Amino acid sequence: DTEVTQTPKHLVMGMTNKKSLKCEQHMGHRAMYWYKQKAKKPPELMFVYSYEKLSINESVPSRFSPECPNSSLLNLHLHALQPEDSALYLCASSQGVAGGPLDYNEQFFGPGTRLTVL
Amino acid sequence: SQKIEQNSEALNIQEGKTATLTCNYTNYSPAYLQWYRQDPGRGPVFLLLIRENEKEKRKERLKVTFDTTLKQSLFHITASQPADSATYLCALARQAGTALIFGKGTTLSVSS
Repeated sequence: DTEVTQTPKHLVMGMTNKKSLKCEQHMGHRAMYWYKQKAKKPPELMFVYSYEKLSINESVPSRFSPECPNSSLLNLHLHALQPEDSALYLCASSQGVAGGPLDYNEQFFGPGTRLTVL
Repeated sequence: SQKIEQNSEALNIQEGKTATLTCNYTNYSPAYLQWYRQDPGRGPVFLLLIRENEKEKRKERLKVTFDTTLKQSLFHITASQPADSATYLCALARQAGTALIFGKGTTLSVSS
């Protein structure tokens, strides 16, 4: 199984709601990532987990809270979002981790969750 | 700060021709560079990785070059087909890690 799955595919939420995005991979990858992508823009890194520990937080506002319950799952908890947070949220995984062999650094992306904040 | 530029936002070519996409970077010495393809509404798909000590890499109709002196990578698709129409992103990893910085992408349109 070389697939990264994300749920839900679409999410509409109000600014006072609390919701969660979920990501799952069963490739045994040791690194997992959250990216945010606005229309006509490239993906922007938000968080990196390595061996289930948060290794990079790109100064993301605290209304976004990542969680890695186990090596296959990655969640992104959302609370009190703003309309400008509307975007495609992409999850990715890689076998490679920082400092490891470069050959394993390709990232496998999920299809994304299209988030709309009203 | 580190900067990645993909010179063309859009590139239109005819079927059968070779598409050449450019990626330039500044204030950075990457250990490797990657190219991804992204179709509308979908996540990027990995295509090729080239290391700093490699000049060229090929995969089927794809070829990537990496010139660390010019701080530039070229991505070629030979014998292009309409199915190659997509946005192509170059990406660099910061430091020795795996956290990627993406260029803005070039949207390739191949007409039959």
